[in-house]
Amino acid sequence: AQSVTQLGSHVSVSEGALVLLRCNYSSSVPPYLFWYVQYPNQGLQLLLKYTTGATLVKGINGFEAEFKKSETSFHLTKPSAHMSDAAEYFCAVSGSGTYKYIFGTGTRLKVLA
Amino acid sequence: DAGVIQSPRHEVTEMGQEVTLRCKPISGHNSLFWYRQTMMRGLELLIYFNNNVPIDDSGMPEDRFSAKMPNASFSTLKIQPSEPRDSAVYFCASSPPPTDTQYFGPGTRLTVL
Repeated sequence: AQSVTQLGSHVSVSEGALVLLRCNYSSSVPPYLFWYVQYPNQGLQLLLKYTTGATLVKGINGFEAEFKKSETSFHLTKPSAHMSDAAEYFCAVSGSGTYKYIFGTGTRLKVLA
Repeated sequence: DAGVIQSPRHEVTEMGQEVTLRCKPISGHNSLFWYRQTMMRGLELLIYFNNNVPIDDSGMPEDRFSAKMPNASFSTLKIQPSEPRDSAVYFCASSPPPTDTQYFGPGTRLTVL
C-alpha cells in the first residue's frame, strides 16, 4: 500500500525567501515520486520526478527535491521565491512499473511581496 | 507539440442531463487516465486505459459514469444522468510507455445545477 502526506495545506513565504514544501510517503515497493504544480484554473504540470539514481532531482522553474529513503521524504525546495510561484503543489507516489498515482492533498503556496 | 486536449473547458448543465467530456491524449502516449478533483476528496483516479483497453475502472463512482476509448487519439467520459454532486473538475492525463509520468490536460469544470 502507498500513501502520501503533505504537511501544511497552506504555506506563505516572502518574495526572495526559501520555499520548503514537505512531502512524506509510505510505500511497500521502491517508490517513484513526483511533484506537480497547479496554477489557478489550469491542469497539473510536472515539476520534477524521482525514479532511480541520483537522489537530488532538479526540476523546472528552479525547484528541486531530494529523495531521502531513511526519512521517507521528498521535500520540494526553491532557494528564492518569486511571485509567479504562487500555486498549489501536489506530491504523488507510485511504484516502479505501476500506473497508479497516489496524490497528496496539496499545499497552496502564497508568496508575499 | 500539443499537450493533452480536453473539451469543453467549462460545462454547466441541469440535473438529469447527459454530460460528455472529451479528451485527446498526446500523440504516441498509450496510457490514458481520467481523474476527478474536488475540494472534499482531492484528486481521484476514475479509470485507466492502456492501449485503448480499460484496465482499471475501480474508481468510477457508479453506473451513471462510463468511459470509452475508441482509438488511440480520443476518449470520452459520460455521465448520465448527471447529479449536483458530480460537480467537479475532471482531468484527463496521458502517459507514454513505460507508464511512469503522467501529463495532464487543462481540465473540464463541470457544474450540475
